[in-house]
Amino acid sequence: TQLLEQSPQFLSIQEGENLTVYCNSSSVFSSLQWYRQEPGEGPVLLVTVVTGGEVKKLKRLTFQFGDARKDSSLHITAAQTGDTGLYLCAARNTGTASKLTFGTGTRLQVTL
Amino acid sequence: NAGVMQNPRHLVRRRGQEARLRCSPMKGHSHVYWYRQLPEEGLKFMVYLQKENIIDESGMPKERFSAEFPKEGPSILRIQQVVRGDSAAYFCASSSGTTTNNYGYTFGSGTRLTVV
Repeated sequence: TQLLEQSPQFLSIQEGENLTVYCNSSSVFSSLQWYRQEPGEGPVLLVTVVTGGEVKKLKRLTFQFGDARKDSSLHITAAQTGDTGLYLCAARNTGTASKLTFGTGTRLQVTL
Repeated sequence: NAGVMQNPRHLVRRRGQEARLRCSPMKGHSHVYWYRQLPEEGLKFMVYLQKENIIDESGMPKERFSAEFPKEGPSILRIQQVVRGDSAAYFCASSSGTTTNNYGYTFGSGTRLTVV
């Protein structure tokens, strides 16, 4: 089972700033997903990336999958207080009957 | 179109009692996953089930924990003789389990178990 390390572990920024969080592993993934979890709720899927080098945009969020499919990044432009939450990357081993393994998480706080 | 329904949202048990956590997957989803989350930590996989079958229970503690997903009704995660260390948020997720490897999970809102 691959280990997914996320960095930074905690991030506190002011509204309007940009930020990038990272998800790294020594394993190669067939696909990788990003979730956001708000306090008291379950994680919500943001995006799935599949192809090495792939870039996906979701409004102010930009997701990139590394060329070697071992790492990913999430960049937020002009952060808003509504972006506050726990950001989790998740990946699965190859094979269709396999579970998602979640990263260690990045807790983001955006203040006014 | 209800999402993944978990109940109860909060559960308090005394040490030694049993805890039963229920999960009804999204309509059309036949794959259920249970995860545990301790405060300030990520999600730890526990068990993956399909109807009437346990597919992967590699994350389940060997004792006191069991899970089922019967032909009819919700999936149940059962913890017998609870201890304080079992206190955590337990999340259920479901998926359609398509033949591709790219499907995402839909999570419920979780059950927060407190053992006193």
